[in-house]
Amino acid sequence: DGGITQSPKYLFRKEGQNVTLSCEQNLNHDAMYWYRQDPGQGLRLIYYSQIVNDFQKGDIAEGYSVSREKKESFPLTVTSAQKNPTAFYLCASSMGRGQETQYFGPGTRLLVL
Amino acid sequence: GQNIDQPTEMTATEGAIVQINCTYQTSGFNGLFWYQQHAGEAPTFLSYNVLDGLEEKGRFSSFLSRSKGYSYLLLKELQMKDSASYLCAVSPNSGNTPLVFGKGTRLSVIA
Repeated sequence: DGGITQSPKYLFRKEGQNVTLSCEQNLNHDAMYWYRQDPGQGLRLIYYSQIVNDFQKGDIAEGYSVSREKKESFPLTVTSAQKNPTAFYLCASSMGRGQETQYFGPGTRLLVL
Repeated sequence: GQNIDQPTEMTATEGAIVQINCTYQTSGFNGLFWYQQHAGEAPTFLSYNVLDGLEEKGRFSSFLSRSKGYSYLLLKELQMKDSASYLCAVSPNSGNTPLVFGKGTRLSVIA
């Protein structure tokens, strides 16, 4: 059963703490993306990766970091430098090679304590 | 620059037809997507248009005019479960480039 999984569904962060959001796909997609969604803001691109061991900053990369060591995995770390991390985080993937349709995981809601 | 505009909110009656418009100005064009997003959930893919014209898929249809930078999503025989946000997104070019998303149109279907 192919798809994109994100964990956890809810995550709580304390002040000054780094937290890592997991994103895994078994669709054999080349490209993966991280978005942040705030009420009334739409989707904003944080980071994306077109291929393993390579990634690029999106529109709001400050305070975030990523890695792409495996094709299936694209974890996002929200660092303590991100001062307003409370949001809904969505991971997506696309086949690439001209097939740009993005498919989304179920999302992780991050809350600051 | 990249810009996608769509109305913020719309309301329609159950059983009716509603048209959600989207206009775009992007550096290039490799297709336009519509996604549906229910509150608290992930967006799900609805349609993809790369050539001018109407694509019909059940109760949902999507239209594209590349010369006008314009698309619409048409929802027929509205049901309460169609209450959701509808996101318009453009692929500016091929090659694993991220989509550019509009802010979404929140549709409320009322009895």
